[in-house]
Amino acid sequence: AQTVTQSQPEMSVQEAETVTLSCTYDTSESDYYLFWYKQPPSRQMILVIRQEAYKQQNATENRFSVNFQKAAKSFSLKISDSQLGDAAMYFCAPRYSGGGADGLTFGKGTHLIIQP
Amino acid sequence: EPEVTQTPSHQVTQMGQEVILRCVPISNHLYFYWYRQILGQKVEFLVSFYNNEISEKSEIFDDQFSVERPDGSNFTLKIRSTKLEDSAMYFCASSSGTGTYLNFGPGTRLTVL
Repeated sequence: AQTVTQSQPEMSVQEAETVTLSCTYDTSESDYYLFWYKQPPSRQMILVIRQEAYKQQNATENRFSVNFQKAAKSFSLKISDSQLGDAAMYFCAPRYSGGGADGLTFGKGTHLIIQP
Repeated sequence: EPEVTQTPSHQVTQMGQEVILRCVPISNHLYFYWYRQILGQKVEFLVSFYNNEISEKSEIFDDQFSVERPDGSNFTLKIRSTKLEDSAMYFCASSSGTGTYLNFGPGTRLTVL
């Protein structure tokens, strides 16, 4: 079974500061995709950023960037210039492209608190 | 931008009753999913559906659960005889391919009394 570990149940950061959320995963697949989803209090699941495992370049999306270390199976999310609207649960989710309609495997999530 | 929609937003039912949760995936998507999230816990995979059949299901998805795509637009999850522990948020999702991200609906909050 594929496992996803988010070792920080909760993180707190001052507004405008930078925070990094960690994620490690375990897979024997060589081709896969990695996603970070955000779940605000509304509980809607919102895609934050995605990374293809075959790409060495780390993905960035405005204030959000990842540090993808394939050999270490690590996929951390960095949020720069944190804003109050970033407060949410953040889930790391690999997706393995083994040919079937496999979905996402979610970690337990990190609750991000933004201090004004 | 197209969205996945789900109805109802909140369903309250008595234990032992059947419920049907409805989803309209994004129209050109081919892969459909149901996930659930018990309050305060992680999002758990239930089932994936492609080409009018189940592709994969988790151990949670037992004989009490079934999925159907009754027409070209709806995708439903049926729970035949609800239990208290079925109380959760149920998310429908769809994707256009196996390597792309999943678009999630807003969820249906199921409360079993």
